[in-house]
Amino acid sequence: EIVMTQSPATLSVSPGNRATLSCRASQSVSSNLAWYQQKPGQAPRLLIYGASTRATGIPARFSGSGSGTEFTLTISSLQSEDFAVYYCQQYNNWPPWTFGQGTKVEIK
Amino acid sequence: EVQLAQSGAEVKKPGESLRISCKGSGYTFTSYWISWVRQMPGKGLEWMGRIDPSDSYINYSPSFQGHVTISTDKTISTVYLEWSSLKASDTAMYYCARHTGGFGESWGQGTLVTVSS
Repeated sequence: EIVMTQSPATLSVSPGNRATLSCRASQSVSSNLAWYQQKPGQAPRLLIYGASTRATGIPARFSGSGSGTEFTLTISSLQSEDFAVYYCQQYNNWPPWTFGQGTKVEIK
Repeated sequence: EVQLAQSGAEVKKPGESLRISCKGSGYTFTSYWISWVRQMPGKGLEWMGRIDPSDSYINYSPSFQGHVTISTDKTISTVYLEWSSLKASDTAMYYCARHTGGFGESWGQGTLVTVSS
């Protein structure tokens, strides 16, 4: 089973600033990586798939990059609604889907 | 509009059985797989298993194999997650998610299951 590791666990960012979240896979997952956003009391929402393709309706300030074992989610200018927990998930070798443990983006 | 409507919150005692549901609408139900994902209180996301509603083919995560049963009734566009004997450690939020590839495109609102004596 592929292990996904996210860093940092918590990221404190001021509104309007950039946030950079990292995700590492224990072995190559090619570009078969997705990112989700989860706000308190809500279901996860798909942000990015294929490592860099934004899902329908996702604002352009969200971007994904990377391939193989190293991936990054960048939020270019944080809005108040972006403070949430973000999860990466690999689907190169599935089942099972495997998720990272999450990065909480909080207001600085 | 694509919707996955999950059944309501449940409070059960250890040893009891339970079936929760996820009803799809706004799309061709048999064209998409449905996965179940667990989120224990304050924790991350864990994939439990998936079903192809067109033929009921199922994959389980090794972590959940034998502990839960996934099934479907495609005549009513519904997928189920079932326990025969609940444990306190089953207390969690459970989400269903629709997908064709390996990522969840649309998610249900979640069903909170609380198991307590």
